[in-house]
Amino acid sequence: DTGVSQNPRHKITKRGQNVTFRCDPISEHNRLYWYRQTLGQGPEFLTYFQNEAQLEKSRLLSDRFSAERPKGSFSTLEIQRTEQGDSAMYLCASSFRDRHEAFFGQGTRLTVV
Amino acid sequence: KNEVEQSPQNLTAQEGEFITINCSYSVGISALHWLQQHPGGGIVSLFMLSSGKKKHGRLIATINIQEKHSSLHITASHPRDSAVYICAQFQSNSGGSNYKLTFGKGTLLTVNP
Repeated sequence: DTGVSQNPRHKITKRGQNVTFRCDPISEHNRLYWYRQTLGQGPEFLTYFQNEAQLEKSRLLSDRFSAERPKGSFSTLEIQRTEQGDSAMYLCASSFRDRHEAFFGQGTRLTVV
Repeated sequence: KNEVEQSPQNLTAQEGEFITINCSYSVGISALHWLQQHPGGGIVSLFMLSSGKKKHGRLIATINIQEKHSSLHITASHPRDSAVYICAQFQSNSGGSNYKLTFGKGTLLTVNP
């Protein structure tokens, strides 16, 4: 499968713990996006990478959130000191250069208890 | 204010009915996606279009660039079409170098047998 891959698919964590999610985009896709989707809502933009550079961050991304894409391939999204409000589906998407077609991962569903 | 507005938010239909979901956007776009998301599932891209009309099986997507409006139609709806349908637009900044997907809130479609 050469699609966008996200791990883990599900994560249950206790409040206050740190969690890290991984996204492997389609090979050679230089753009990578992270989104968060809460129940009943459409996905909301979190951050965007072009190669290894993080070009834009939403103000939704508090200082407890950090994302990296160290080699311009896979990306990680870390949430520190998780709160119940962080419970959501975290989606990753990638696209190639200036092409306007995005491909989506299956998402990581986070539940903070 | 969400720059991508969908209607209706919820739609219930009987099997066999013709379904229309609407999407309006407020700024010029590079491309518009129609996406499908089953409960608890990841996002699947149905269409990506920047003009005209596309058809795939029982699904038809149209876009009117002048009116900044797109529609997704489902002919001969079936219970397996029950899902959330989301429209999303690719926006670029004035320099054309920064692309971001902005999502609508989604339309929950339930098709009853």
